[in-house]
Amino acid sequence: GDSVTQMEGPVTLSEEAFLTINCTYTATGYPSLFWYVQYPGEGLQLLLKATKADDKGSNKGFEATYRKETTSFHLEKGSVQVSDSAVYFCALSDRAGNMLTFGGGTRLMVKP
Amino acid sequence: DVKVTQSSRYLVKRTGEKVFLECVQDMDHENMFWYRQDPGLGLRLIYFSYDVKMKEKGDIPEGYSVSREKKERFSLILESASTNQTSMYLCALHNSGETEAFFGQGTRLTVV
Repeated sequence: GDSVTQMEGPVTLSEEAFLTINCTYTATGYPSLFWYVQYPGEGLQLLLKATKADDKGSNKGFEATYRKETTSFHLEKGSVQVSDSAVYFCALSDRAGNMLTFGGGTRLMVKP
Repeated sequence: DVKVTQSSRYLVKRTGEKVFLECVQDMDHENMFWYRQDPGLGLRLIYFSYDVKMKEKGDIPEGYSVSREKKERFSLILESASTNQTSMYLCALHNSGETEAFFGQGTRLTVV
């Protein structure tokens, strides 16, 4: 079945540091890929998405590129802020959209 | 904006109690999902529903059941709560492979 693997956390960075959170996937067919973010005490919300190979999703300074050859969708940000502290989930969706598969989540802590 | 409302943010129940977690949506989405979220395990699918009175087991259905009598409401039922069901429970809508999922704010359940 489908699966998503992302780096374990917590990831602790200083403000303005560069962020990478790795995500790789296993899936049949051509899934859509997502990054969701969960701020403390809240549900998940979409951060960015990519629906086909070589697409780049971006939002709030975060970026991720759908790499079919390496089955990866790594999340990057050039300069993190304290307000980026949250848990980040990589996920994939089958084409029918009936199932979402999530990675284990990576907690990011940004220190001032 | 799509709204997914979970009836409680925090619940404390005793072992053996029957527990109802309610999720209500204000959109016309067919697909509704219940996940539980545990540290390091990400989100695991408990049950989902494609339509009224329809339900499908997810990856970890044991100890749970669901009810979907109306399109907008999807209930998760813990028949006899146990301490290993202490967790964060998230309700979600997801209708298409290329579009985002919408999550409720979560219910943190503690079984004592």
